[in-house]
Amino acid sequence: QKEVEQDPGPLSVPEGAIVSLNCTYSNSAFQYFMWYRQYSRKGPELLMYTYSSGNKEDGRFTAQVDKSSKYISLFIRDSQPSDSATYLCAMSGVKLSFGAGTTVTVRA
Amino acid sequence: DVKVTQSSRYLVKRTGEKVFLECVQDMDHENMFWYRQDPGLGLRLIYFSYDVKMKEKGDIPEGYSVSREKKERFSLILESASTNQTSMYLCASSPGWDFIIPSSNTFGSGTRLTVV
Repeated sequence: QKEVEQDPGPLSVPEGAIVSLNCTYSNSAFQYFMWYRQYSRKGPELLMYTYSSGNKEDGRFTAQVDKSSKYISLFIRDSQPSDSATYLCAMSGVKLSFGAGTTVTVRA
Repeated sequence: DVKVTQSSRYLVKRTGEKVFLECVQDMDHENMFWYRQDPGLGLRLIYFSYDVKMKEKGDIPEGYSVSREKKERFSLILESASTNQTSMYLCASSPGWDFIIPSSNTFGSGTRLTVV
């Protein structure tokens, strides 16, 4: 069983829709919970991260962590075509463990 | 601006060749990492290094080796390239703490290697 599970999609939504992404994990020792965004032919860039259970909001993006269920989510409100990318969840202890990444396309 | 630089964006090599992928960071970070990224599999850790001349195997080290002679440079070596090593290779670096602080972990832009 993988340490981090993420549905690879792909996910296609119309502009303005809410995008919902999630990951599950098995390792209770993870300290930080991250979401990376990766555009085509680029390296991953850190979008948001949280340290504990709860919600964190940054503009149109909301990250949620539920440590009791070992479940994290990312929501993108009012999605834009520029949000089209691959979104990777990741968790850190001594090293990073990544999900498979979900490819999102926002249709204009 | 902090940077992790990978020397090549695209490489095409023949089966059996010895291949070197180079990564340089300018942040004085202790930790450096090599990942490969494949569709549907995400990023998988090949090797990492927490100090000069130190290395640790990641999740998929088979067929690879690494070299870290200087703090700023971490090389990934494919001793005898095979077609199943065709992939995107990503280098990253972070400070030498007990666990990775997300805001301090920086990725390079990647090297897309094709083995024919």
